[in-house]
Amino acid sequence: TVLTQSPGTLSLSLGERATLSCRASQSVSNNYLVWYQQKPGQAPRLLIYDASSRATGIPDRFSGSGSGTDFTLTISRLEPEDFAVYYCQQYGNSPITFGQGTRLQIK
Amino acid sequence: QVQLVQSGAEVKKPGASVKVTCKASGYTFTSYYMHWLRQAPGQGLDWMGVINPSSGSISYAQKFQGRVTMTRDTSTSTVYMELSSLRSEDTAVYYCGRDRKVNSGNHPDYWGQGTLVTVSS
Repeated sequence: TVLTQSPGTLSLSLGERATLSCRASQSVSNNYLVWYQQKPGQAPRLLIYDASSRATGIPDRFSGSGSGTDFTLTISRLEPEDFAVYYCQQYGNSPITFGQGTRLQIK
Repeated sequence: QVQLVQSGAEVKKPGASVKVTCKASGYTFTSYYMHWLRQAPGQGLDWMGVINPSSGSISYAQKFQGRVTMTRDTSTSTVYMELSSLRSEDTAVYYCGRDRKVNSGNHPDYWGQGTLVTVSS
């Protein structure tokens, strides 16, 4: 299953709302999709699993939604620490695959 | 607390093999699958496979089939990833990642610090 993330780069200001998209080439079984955040020189951090469940310790400004082939990560009000690269990953269809990432940068 | 500690950076010549170690602590080693992923410089994440530390069963990504071997040692709570026939395109940071859920091979939650493998003549 090929995952296509858009946009490739998103430039926003502090306090703005960010909407990141992840589109699958075929329906993701059971909506088994996660979102990760990665900062330079660090391992990825799990944000959302099963499309819409927040991982432990993740602030509620992060939310996931979607089903089938279209999924969205929303960050309601951007904080300085939110500027990073975001990846979606599906595990509903074998093999596990990742999107190519969306870079969220400060405007 | 869950910790995954990986072995140090490696420099290898084309055609050689590399073995990366991931030592786990802070949880029941045999209860959680371990994934291996890699990330080439400036690129995205690439899933390589997953091992069930309890049974030793493995699922490899087709891209790496025939070149990658994942093993585990339950006595030391360590998993290993060996990649053979290295080429320059294998230059990347290699990560181990423990699955979020017991007895599940879906997605990593806890990650090692990463091991840089450089392939250069």
